Amino acid sequence: DAGVIQSPRHEVTEMGQEVTLRCKPISGHDYLFWYRQTMMRGLELLIYFNNNVPIDDSGMPEDRFSAKMPNASFSTLKIQPSEPRDSAVYFCASSFDRSSRGYTFGSGTRLTVV
Amino acid sequence: SQQGEEDPQALSIQEGENATMNCSYKTSINNLQWYRQNSGRGLVHLILIRSNEREKHSGRLRVTLDTSKKSSSLLITASRAADTASYFCATALIQGAQKLVFGQGTRLTINP
Repeated sequence: DAGVIQSPRHEVTEMGQEVTLRCKPISGHDYLFWYRQTMMRGLELLIYFNNNVPIDDSGMPEDRFSAKMPNASFSTLKIQPSEPRDSAVYFCASSFDRSSRGYTFGSGTRLTVV
Repeated sequence: SQQGEEDPQALSIQEGENATMNCSYKTSINNLQWYRQNSGRGLVHLILIRSNEREKHSGRLRVTLDTSKKSSSLLITASRAADTASYFCATALIQGAQKLVFGQGTRLTINP
């Protein structure tokens, strides 16, 4: 398996633009998570899905953020409009409920909003 | 607020020495996990210890869990330069055990 695949690896955008981050989880994993990592706040859980259904979005900062999982092999995290304070590394991770192997993380998307 | 807090925030040792990192948490857990993150990369799962376990080993890694003190430790024996990374503990609460809350991490540097 190629692991959790995120795209793009790097994104630089201007304030006010829409940004879409993409994630392909490991086949067979039934949970998908979106995290954001910054020096100041560390790793923050934004939202997670179980069997494509959003379970907990309490970590989504505000209405500018939205996430979807239209099928078991694809998820998006969208920021519209983007702001400089959204600059961070965004990680997607997936897991299998009955596994003791924890999460498998993607390589992340480094977002810079200028 | 952070559920888990690692101590120390940074640790620098010589190659071959043992490295110990600690994690404290606040509420009851289902399990506790340790992850490694190399610079610019995603996190890699190292080991999971359940709330009814006290100690677990995996290669050069040894993890302990003390639920009465709400703390865990990660010991890396015979450290190598390749162990240089940040190490995070993550707790899975009893309710919603699939949701992990990460600490701020310990930055470990192994000097050759």
